[in-house]
Amino acid sequence: KNEVEQSPQNLTAQEGEFITINCSYSVGISALHWLQQHPGGGIVSLFMLSSGKKKHGRLIATINIQEKHSSLHITASHPRDSAVYICAVNTGTASKLTFGTGTRLQVTL
Amino acid sequence: NAGVMQNPRHLVRRRGQEARLRCSPMKGHSHVYWYRQLPEEGLKFMVYLQKENIIDESGMPKERFSAEFPKEGPSILRIQQVVRGDSAAYFCASSSKQFSGNTIYFGEGSWLTVV
Repeated sequence: KNEVEQSPQNLTAQEGEFITINCSYSVGISALHWLQQHPGGGIVSLFMLSSGKKKHGRLIATINIQEKHSSLHITASHPRDSAVYICAVNTGTASKLTFGTGTRLQVTL
Repeated sequence: NAGVMQNPRHLVRRRGQEARLRCSPMKGHSHVYWYRQLPEEGLKFMVYLQKENIIDESGMPKERFSAEFPKEGPSILRIQQVVRGDSAAYFCASSSKQFSGNTIYFGEGSWLTVV
C-alpha cells in the first residue's frame, strides 16, 4: 500500500464544474504539497499546507491532520486546468517528499 | 528572477553512454533535490544535496548514478552506462532551507531517452 493515495486517478469534467481531488496518507507528516504537472511539462507548486485551508484564485486546498486527509478543490473549472495534480508529503525526514501517483484531470468545453 | 533551471530539456543517449543533467537552483537557494519520474509512474526521491555535500542519497540506485553540487556552478546528476530503464523525466527542485515548512520550486525537468 502506498503511503500517499490519491483519488480519483482520472477525472473528466465539463467547464464550470466544481472539482474535488482527494489525498490520504498513512504516515506522520510535517507538510503536504499540491503540485500541478501539464503533459510533457514541468511541475508547479500550488499549495503547501500543514493545517487548515488555503485559497488561491479558483483553487482551494484543505487538510485534516487528525484524519490524514487533504482535498484540492477547483471552482468554475476551465479547460486550461487540465493537468495532472499530485499530492506530496514531507515525512519525518524533511529532505524527502513522498508522492501520490497523481490525478489526471481533463476539463472539456 | 529565474526559477530553477534544468538542462538539457531533452537528451537522447545510446545504451552504454553517459548522461549528464544539470540543475541551477533559484537564486539564494542552497538546497537541491533530484526526483525521477518513470513513464506512467509517480515521482520518486533520488538525492538531496547542499553545497558540496550529499545529505541524503537513499533514493539513488547504488550503481551508475552519482550527483554533486559544487561550490560554484550547477548541481549535476550523472548516469553512467545508461540502459533503457533509465529513460525517464528527471526533475530538480530547490529550496532556501530544508523542505519542511518551505515552498518547493521545481525545474521544468530533463527528459532522458535511451535508445
